[in-house]
Amino acid sequence: QQPVQSPQAVILREGEDAVINCSSSKALYSVHWYRQKHGEAPVFLMILLKGGEQKGHEKISASFNEKKQQSSLYLTASQLSYSGTYFCGTERVDYNTDKLIFGTGTRLQVFP
Amino acid sequence: NAGVMQNPRHLVRRRGQEARLRCSPMKGHSHVYWYRQLPEEGLKFMVYLQKENIIDESGMPKERFSAEFPKEGPSILRIQQVVRGDSAAYFCASSPGPRGDGYTFGSGTRLTVV
Repeated sequence: QQPVQSPQAVILREGEDAVINCSSSKALYSVHWYRQKHGEAPVFLMILLKGGEQKGHEKISASFNEKKQQSSLYLTASQLSYSGTYFCGTERVDYNTDKLIFGTGTRLQVFP
Repeated sequence: NAGVMQNPRHLVRRRGQEARLRCSPMKGHSHVYWYRQLPEEGLKFMVYLQKENIIDESGMPKERFSAEFPKEGPSILRIQQVVRGDSAAYFCASSPGPRGDGYTFGSGTRLTVV
């Protein structure tokens, strides 16, 4: 099953904050976050691993609740460049491989 | 260190023709993944390969689609006898593997079937 993201869309003014959520019904090994701008490739933002390890950009923060199989991406003091569609990608424990199943996406628009 | 290279960027095929999409992973990456994306939709997993092996093809349609990652050369996604519904962006990603590393995506191939 595909992880569910919320909200589906967010509109912000520069400087405002946003939280994007990702929820899975299956046990996860890790959660990845990517941003995709229109017509471009997805770009890796960060990965959160079971057990608490995180890898990614210093200016991006996120959390992973292993008990609830939920992750949240925190975008603070948003900039125009943050606009795009955000996808979470999940590695499921039961797959035993590192293939990612991507969520439904959250479209973020930041205006001046 | 070049990123993931996909070619062609755009491909137009008539119904019934074959489409061949190529992907060269990042240097040092041995895991390759193919995803399909329809306009305004998410990334749908198709297949996961390592050199000379298909690890997981659970997302591949049973007919007309095949993928390979030979010992030498790029990974190839092949679509035979294309139909209009195959029109989409096809992204390739690579990772160093095993688990616990982010993907690097290529720029994608936009396939249009006319």
